[in-house]
Amino acid sequence: DTEVTQTPKHLVMGMTNKKSLKCEQHMGHRAMYWYKQKAKKPPELMFVYSYEKLSINESVPSRFSPECPNSSLLNLHLHALQPEDSALYLCASSQGVAGVNNEQFFGPGTRLTVL
Amino acid sequence: DAKTTQPNSMESNEEEPVHLPCNHSTISGTDYIHWYRQLPSQGPEYVIHGLTSNVNNRMASLAIAEDRKSSTLILHRATLRDAAVYYCIPHFGNEKLTFGTGTRLTIIP
Repeated sequence: DTEVTQTPKHLVMGMTNKKSLKCEQHMGHRAMYWYKQKAKKPPELMFVYSYEKLSINESVPSRFSPECPNSSLLNLHLHALQPEDSALYLCASSQGVAGVNNEQFFGPGTRLTVL
Repeated sequence: DAKTTQPNSMESNEEEPVHLPCNHSTISGTDYIHWYRQLPSQGPEYVIHGLTSNVNNRMASLAIAEDRKSSTLILHRATLRDAAVYYCIPHFGNEKLTFGTGTRLTIIP
């Protein structure tokens, strides 16, 4: 199984809602990532988890709260988002956290719309 | 992070070879050159990576200049499925992939 799955595929939420994005992989990878991609722009790294511990936070606002409950799961909790947070949220995983052969495997993304 | 320069867009005819260039003149001696692509409505996918020598895999070939300041991704026989945005990313073994603006490749049937 070389797949990263993300749910839901689409999400529409109001600015006062609380929602969560979910990412799952069963490749035994120990690093997991959240990226944000605005339309017609490249993906931008948000968070990195290494061995279930947060290792990189790219100065992301606190209305985005990541969680890694186990080595296969990665969540992104959303609260009090702004319309400008509307984007495609991509999850990725890789075998390890360092080393040049750490190909990242990406999921299909969750397309988020904030009203 | 090393800065990369890629053409914004390229077109190629189906079943012909495609050469996608990337300039990375500020690359450090330890950075590998990674290529990812993003098909429409999908997440990025790894294509290939190399350090100094030319590299081949089932998807593509990577030709790296002797001074390592540029590289070329070669798709030997483009198909419609190869239409995507291609990203060239100098990268050394840490968690961070920094995507540039990439090249949008259009395949003409």
